[in-house]
Amino acid sequence: RKEVEQDPGPFNVPEGATVAFNCTYSNSASQSFFWYRQDCRKEPKLLMSVYSSGNEDGRFTAQLNRASQYISLLIRDSKLSDSATYLCVVRTGGFKTIFGAGTRLFVKA
Amino acid sequence: DVKVTQSSRYLVKRTGEKVFLECVQDMDHENMFWYRQDPGLGLRLIYFSYDVKMKEKGDIPEGYSVSREKKERFSLILESASTNQTSMYLCASKWDRGYNEQFFGPGTRLTVL
Repeated sequence: RKEVEQDPGPFNVPEGATVAFNCTYSNSASQSFFWYRQDCRKEPKLLMSVYSSGNEDGRFTAQLNRASQYISLLIRDSKLSDSATYLCVVRTGGFKTIFGAGTRLFVKA
Repeated sequence: DVKVTQSSRYLVKRTGEKVFLECVQDMDHENMFWYRQDPGLGLRLIYFSYDVKMKEKGDIPEGYSVSREKKERFSLILESASTNQTSMYLCASKWDRGYNEQFFGPGTRLTVL
């Protein structure tokens, strides 16, 4: 079993739709969680950190469920520019950071 | 604005060649990382360095070595390139403290023939 698992997609959604991705992690001692965004042929960039109480940044909402060991990313009112691969990132402590393989999102006009 | 640069965007080498990939960051970050990214496998850590002249193996160090003689520069070396090392190589850096983000370079697409 992979330490961090994501549905690879692709998710194909129309503009304006709401879409959600989940990511599961296997190490219950994981300490911090992030979502990165990677555009085609570009480097990953931090989208948002994920806090225990959940957090929101504009159209993006991130949630953490420690009991079930998953994090989620919700995108409301999808834009064409949201088309990218979303990487789930889990840090277990020290320098141990695990990147998921990513979920691809295509937003269509 | 943090900047991480990598010496080449695209590189083509032959099996058995020694390959050097260079990474430079301009934000005085203590920690630097080398990853490879392959379809369906995500980013996998090859080596990291938490300070000058310090290095630690990541998850897939076999066939690679690294060098960090200066704080801003972290080099990845393929001693004898093989076709299974064809991949996208990404360098990243971050400050030492806290659960803060890693800043990535643009990547080097290496093809080994």
